[in-house]
Amino acid sequence: DADVTQTPRNRITKTGKRIMLECSQTKGHDRMYWYRQDPGLGLRLIYYSFDVKDINKGEISDGYSVSRQAQAKFSLSLESAIPNQTALYFCATSETGTGDTQYFGPGTRLTVL
Amino acid sequence: SQKIEQNSEALNIQEGKTATLTCNYTNYSPAYLQWYRQDPGRGPVFLLLIRENEKEKRKERLKVTFDTTLKQSLFHITASQPADSATYLCARLSGSGNTGKLIFGQGTTLQVKP
Repeated sequence: DADVTQTPRNRITKTGKRIMLECSQTKGHDRMYWYRQDPGLGLRLIYYSFDVKDINKGEISDGYSVSRQAQAKFSLSLESAIPNQTALYFCATSETGTGDTQYFGPGTRLTVL
Repeated sequence: SQKIEQNSEALNIQEGKTATLTCNYTNYSPAYLQWYRQDPGRGPVFLLLIRENEKEKRKERLKVTFDTTLKQSLFHITASQPADSATYLCARLSGSGNTGKLIFGQGTTLQVKP
């Protein structure tokens, strides 16, 4: 969905490096989410934010941090990347009161060597 | 803890047939369930939402049911086409009330053969 963009789309990095994944949205939604997807494990929630001043840990937040720079921007950082963080990462947005229907970005494929 | 379970085995059907995918959940019934479609290497795309008090919902060739007794949702695609081949994800609210968080199933991959 072009309304939710993620950069970079692909990234290969080495163990111990700091990585930032960025997400921007033009949908005007207040809620934003970061997920990772691994084969056989489905989508798992890393962090979520309901507005600029609200940041919450998800199911698997260890090793990750986030920043909500503006309503439209939500960044995910891996402070010191490790190989088991190799995965497909998705950003999503939703609007309060719409049943939490989520709109996903195209994903970032991250490989940690 | 709340879980969403979908058949991890791929579903293979012939073009023109009806595909039926199953989503089972644990614990109390969520206020609603959602279904998404995901193509390889792409983000999930929302398809349908069905509320707890709705037995059935339709959108074009898609139909979703919600059975709170069986704790199950069924997702049907009628007159299936090869273009319907994708992975379909079921999702429920995490926790009670409007938590704003979803729990996703692992997804069922549908392959429609011409």
